[in-house]
Amino acid sequence: GAVVSQHPSRVICKSGTSVKIECRSLDFQATTMFWYRQFPKQSLMLMATSNEGSKATYEQGVEKDKFLINHASLTLSTLTVTSAHPEDSSFYICSADRGGATEAFFGQGTRLTVV
Amino acid sequence: EDKVVQSPLSLVVHEGDTVTLNCSYEVTNFRSLLWYKQEKKAPTFLFMLTSSGIEKKSGRLSSILDKKELFSILNITATQTGDSAVYLCAVVLNTGNQFYFGTGTSLTVIP
Repeated sequence: GAVVSQHPSRVICKSGTSVKIECRSLDFQATTMFWYRQFPKQSLMLMATSNEGSKATYEQGVEKDKFLINHASLTLSTLTVTSAHPEDSSFYICSADRGGATEAFFGQGTRLTVV
Repeated sequence: EDKVVQSPLSLVVHEGDTVTLNCSYEVTNFRSLLWYKQEKKAPTFLFMLTSSGIEKKSGRLSSILDKKELFSILNITATQTGDSAVYLCAVVLNTGNQFYFGTGTSLTVIP
């Protein structure tokens, strides 16, 4: 099956700093990737759709200046949490669209803790 | 507003029991519904359903979709402790490949 790699798997950062999370499709080209956020004991919430070569599309209520998304190549999308605060602590997961495929291929997720 | 709701939110059963998890949805431009199992990290794919009334089966798990009544069920028979997880359903729309996840059902199987 298709492989999506997400890095880092766990990060602890100080309040006010920025954190970058990478999502890579290892064996296919992904024109579209998706970023999700998951709070403890809650479901995955779609944050934004990352499109290669164009601006990301953010879901309602998600601050685009807070969560910067860059999809510079067909195999890499990055999510940068800027000026992180403790309330940004969460589990962030990416998924990649292989184009025509109907199941999402998920990364392993990143546990962000802001102290 | 598009909505995906799962029930129950949590469930505790004994090994060997059969469980039925529900997923109802209210969305425009429905394309397919998927079930995932999430243990500690990323969800793992179980089933994809696009047509009504056709049961998908994999071992002790099975699922079916009703597009008229807008819901799907996931059945697990002869449950095992390894089935303990959060089960997520997700709806994919025709307007893009975004997945909208339901609230999830937390299943605990006790020996």
